[in-house]
Order: sequence, then structure tokens, then C-alpha cells
Amino acid sequence: AQSVAQPEDQVNVAEGNPLTVKCTYSVSGNPYLFWYVQYPNRGLQFLLKYITGDNLVKGSYGFEAEFNKSQTSFHLKKPSALVSDSALYFCAVRGPTGNQFYFGTGTSLTVIP
Amino acid sequence: NAGVTQTPKFRVLKTGQSMTLLCAQDMNHEYMYWYRQDPGMGLRLIHYSVGEGTTAKGEVPDGYNVSRLKKQNFLLGLESAAPSQTSVYFCASSYWDRGSYEQYFGPGTRLTVT
Repeated sequence: AQSVAQPEDQVNVAEGNPLTVKCTYSVSGNPYLFWYVQYPNRGLQFLLKYITGDNLVKGSYGFEAEFNKSQTSFHLKKPSALVSDSALYFCAVRGPTGNQFYFGTGTSLTVIP
Repeated sequence: NAGVTQTPKFRVLKTGQSMTLLCAQDMNHEYMYWYRQDPGMGLRLIHYSVGEGTTAKGEVPDGYNVSRLKKQNFLLGLESAAPSQTSVYFCASSYWDRGSYEQYFGPGTRLTVT
């Protein structure tokens, strides 16, 4: 069965410090992995994806993510956090048929000024 | 481009009432999806469509029906609303064959069933 786990409900980080939001996955076949961000009372916005190629993928707003096949992880990172990065972050994986996507439960990121 | 729009933004229903949520996209996407978002549970797929005239069940389809009569529209129906259907509903759309796969989401519909 396909699934995504985000082990941390809440992550707090000081402004200017690096941030990491964790994601592990379980999927049959090659993983197609995604990160989305949700600001209050808004829909989800796409940040970045891993389909194939380099294990480090870069996305919007200075975010990047590292794909690690041996650890089945796809952690979201940013070298220097901004207060405006405070939001809810979701990791997702595409199912093997390509028709469905499975989302994690979300991680609330708070960047403290 | 308006992207993905959802109507209505808010709705309060009494148990047993029915309603239809409308999703429209202007990006000529083949795939469309309906999700519900509940605290602590992330997003769960209700139904999806891979093209005009097609629909399929997702993870939590019970109590919902959908239709995709036009490529740009995807309707979600609740025939007899229950309090367990209180949730925020999101529609999304995506391409299927361009190596992209990322989904574009609407702003959501907040539904309360009393």
C-alpha cells in the first residue's frame, strides 16, 4: 500500500536558521514525490517534486528537498527560514497507477522572529 | 487565468439535506480530483476523473457522488449529508502526460453539517 508519513505535527525554528520538515514514504515502484504548502484559509500550492534524476531538487521560495532511496525519505529543507515560511506543509506520493496521490497528515511550521 | 475555482466557499447544511459543490478549471487539465481535509488526517481523496465523462473512486468515496460532463468542470454531490461530512473540501486538477503531475488546488469549500 502507498503511504506517506510526516512524523512531526509541529516544527518550530528561529528566523534565519535552517529548517527541515521530514517525510518518509512507502510505494511500490519508482516514487514520484511532492511537497505542497498551505497558508491559512487557502488551497495547497505546489513547491517541488522528485520524479527522477538528481537526489537534491530545488523548488519555489528557496526550498529544496533531498530524496534518499535507502531511507525512503524526502525531507524538505531551506537554508535560512523566513517568518513568511510559517505554514502547513504536506508531503505526497503518486500511486503506482498514476491516478491517485497520497498525502501525509501535514507539518505545521512556525518560524519565530 | 483563474486557475481552479470552487463554488460555494462556505455552506451549512442540516443532516439529510443535499448539495452540489462545483469545481471549474481553465487550464485544460485532463485530471481532476476531490479531496477532503480533516484535522490530523491530511488530505484524503474522495473521487477523481481522468477525463471528460469518466469518474473513479478514491480512498473515501462513501456518501459522495461525482460527475464530469465537461472537461473543465467536476461536480461533487452529497445526496444526504451527515455530520461526519463536515470538512473542508478541495478540488484539484493536473496534466497527465507532460511529466509534470503536480496538482493545482482550488481555495476550498468549508462545509458544516449540523
